[in-house]
Amino acid sequence: EPEVTQTPSHQVTQMGQEVILRCVPISNHLYFYWYRQILGQKVEFLVSFYNNEISEKSEIFDDQFSVERPDGSNFTLKIRSTKLEDSAMYFCASSAQTLGYTFGSGTRLTVV
Amino acid sequence: ELKVEQNPLFLSMQEGKNYTIYCNYSTTSDRLYWYRQDPGKSLESLFVLLSNGAVKQEGRLMASLDTKARLSTLHITAAVHDLSATYFCAVPNTGNQFYFGTGTSLTVIP
Repeated sequence: EPEVTQTPSHQVTQMGQEVILRCVPISNHLYFYWYRQILGQKVEFLVSFYNNEISEKSEIFDDQFSVERPDGSNFTLKIRSTKLEDSAMYFCASSAQTLGYTFGSGTRLTVV
Repeated sequence: ELKVEQNPLFLSMQEGKNYTIYCNYSTTSDRLYWYRQDPGKSLESLFVLLSNGAVKQEGRLMASLDTKARLSTLHITAAVHDLSATYFCAVPNTGNQFYFGTGTSLTVIP
């Protein structure tokens, strides 16, 4: 069964550093998403991406965040200057149309 | 903003017992999703409910959707230890942005 692949599975970074989280969506999917889950809390929407541009973004997705689809297969989330409160599990997801998603296995980001 | 509430937040149940998890949401939607999450793992899709009155069953789990009441239920029949996990419902807005419930942490004890 096709999968959404995320790398790395765990990243530790110093506060103020930039991080890039990488995702390879399912190949024929057109809609891409990032969500995050702070430990023990619910899953929160960050951003959706379609046709090479952001479709929707949440209040969480401020100027410190950006997304890119640099080469037609990868989908990246960049956090420019990480803060302690950015520590969370970040999930990438993709969908073929506006129905259910397939989630990736997640990247656990720890900011120290 | 669409709000999604689940209850209970924590559920400890004995093996063999039945129980229901409830998911209420605040605005009209004709779709609802249930996910399972094991500790430190990703979200596994359990059910996709696409219309009012939809009922889906898989093993010991059965999900239903009442769009008029804005309510979905996840019923557990004769619980077993392997069902211990956190269960989330999720409701999409018109832009397919998912709003997740707070999650129900289920522990099945022998």
